[in-house]
Amino acid sequence: KAGVTQTPRYLIKTRGQQVTLSCSPISGHRSVSWYQQTPGQGLQFLFEYFSETQRNKGNFPGRFSGRQFSNSRSEMNVSTLELGDSALYLCASSLPRSQGHYNEQFFGPGTRLTVL
Amino acid sequence: KQEVTQIPAALSVPEGENLVLNCSFTDSAIYNLQWFRQDPGKGLTSLLLIQSSQREQTSGRLNASLDKSSGRSTLYIAASQPGDSATYLCAVIMNRDDKIIFGKGTRLHILP
Repeated sequence: KAGVTQTPRYLIKTRGQQVTLSCSPISGHRSVSWYQQTPGQGLQFLFEYFSETQRNKGNFPGRFSGRQFSNSRSEMNVSTLELGDSALYLCASSLPRSQGHYNEQFFGPGTRLTVL
Repeated sequence: KQEVTQIPAALSVPEGENLVLNCSFTDSAIYNLQWFRQDPGKGLTSLLLIQSSQREQTSGRLNASLDKSSGRSTLYIAASQPGDSATYLCAVIMNRDDKIIFGKGTRLHILP
């Protein structure tokens, strides 16, 4: 079974631009979560989508948004990029306990975003 | 507010030694706890998941324990190898809302 895939793997943008990252979950997984990882803050939860609906949200500004499509693929968008948005963005897919599972998280390889 | 702490932040041990990594959390109302490893610049690999009703889980040379009442989990690695060098992270999933909170990890270096 193929794992979680993320595209692109690397991205360089300048301040003020916007960016869209993509995540394809493991086949059959309907829950997708997004995380930002930086050396100083560690892994921080951005949001989770399940069946095209945002189910949970972390403490990030409104510049960070996401969506999920009917095939469970998810996109994350960051508008008006700031230098501090440089990070590794990870997505994870899971089978939630609402479907009788344990919500075990399976991660993709990440997208390395550099903002200049 | 749940806080997850991993101590030490970094650890170096000679090859072949057994070692224990620690994870503590402040709110015991968790659904489960998951251990991951992360190689530099890569994504996270799931190692073990312990449900809140369980005390431990084993996979190969790895054994994870959970003491929910005291807010602690340990990851035991037997007969360490250089390939075990990585950052190890623990995460808890909260029972009330499925939110996931990570510790900052322990960076492990196995000396050949």
